[in-house]
Amino acid sequence: GAGVSQTPSNKVTEKGKYVELRCDPISGHTALYWYRQSLGQGPEFLIYFQGTGAADDSGLPNDRFFAVRPEGSVSTLKIQRTERGDSAVYLCASSLVNGGEQFFGPGTRLTVL
Amino acid sequence: KQEVTQIPAALSVPEGENLVLNCSFTDSAIYNLQWFRQDPGKGLTSLLLIQSSQREQTSGRLNASLDKSSGRSTLYIAASQPGDSATYLCAVITTSGTYKYIFGTGTRLKVLA
Repeated sequence: GAGVSQTPSNKVTEKGKYVELRCDPISGHTALYWYRQSLGQGPEFLIYFQGTGAADDSGLPNDRFFAVRPEGSVSTLKIQRTERGDSAVYLCASSLVNGGEQFFGPGTRLTVL
Repeated sequence: KQEVTQIPAALSVPEGENLVLNCSFTDSAIYNLQWFRQDPGKGLTSLLLIQSSQREQTSGRLNASLDKSSGRSTLYIAASQPGDSATYLCAVITTSGTYKYIFGTGTRLKVLA
């Protein structure tokens, strides 16, 4: 595709539910990043993939959060037992090479009621 | 631990003014620095990427400079227009970590017609 795409654009769920957020990176980009942005703040790093493997997951807040990238392209961020504090915009980015220019998707706005 | 600060937090200027946005970082060992623009409710749009070996980058009315020794970058916008109104974010990758970005909290710019 022309750019990074994320689905859904909006997700409203109830506390305790499970959600999956999807990211389609730019074709051919080997690196994929997930960030989380709260209102009025800059994005905060969650996890970074190089190919299929998670090169750095130090930003995941706890074990309720998990992400996969099984074929080195599409990635899914999974959140179990959602809490109201998980409400934020989840951003995905990709880059052609490690440390290269990162291109961001439009984000998924997650609201936990 | 790398910390990124952006000053001012908000800025309002009349159309046509030249303006400077500031970004400071505490760890000068950076791999690169990238400036982004974010419109309300949208994802991030890449403006300029400066590699650690570079001093500046230019694109149209935008010029970004980098001074690693002092831990500073500036984004210069010439002849500002109402369409430039947005939040501007800077982000750095440090050489001591993986290729994740550490973001500032942004400068919210409003250009008045």
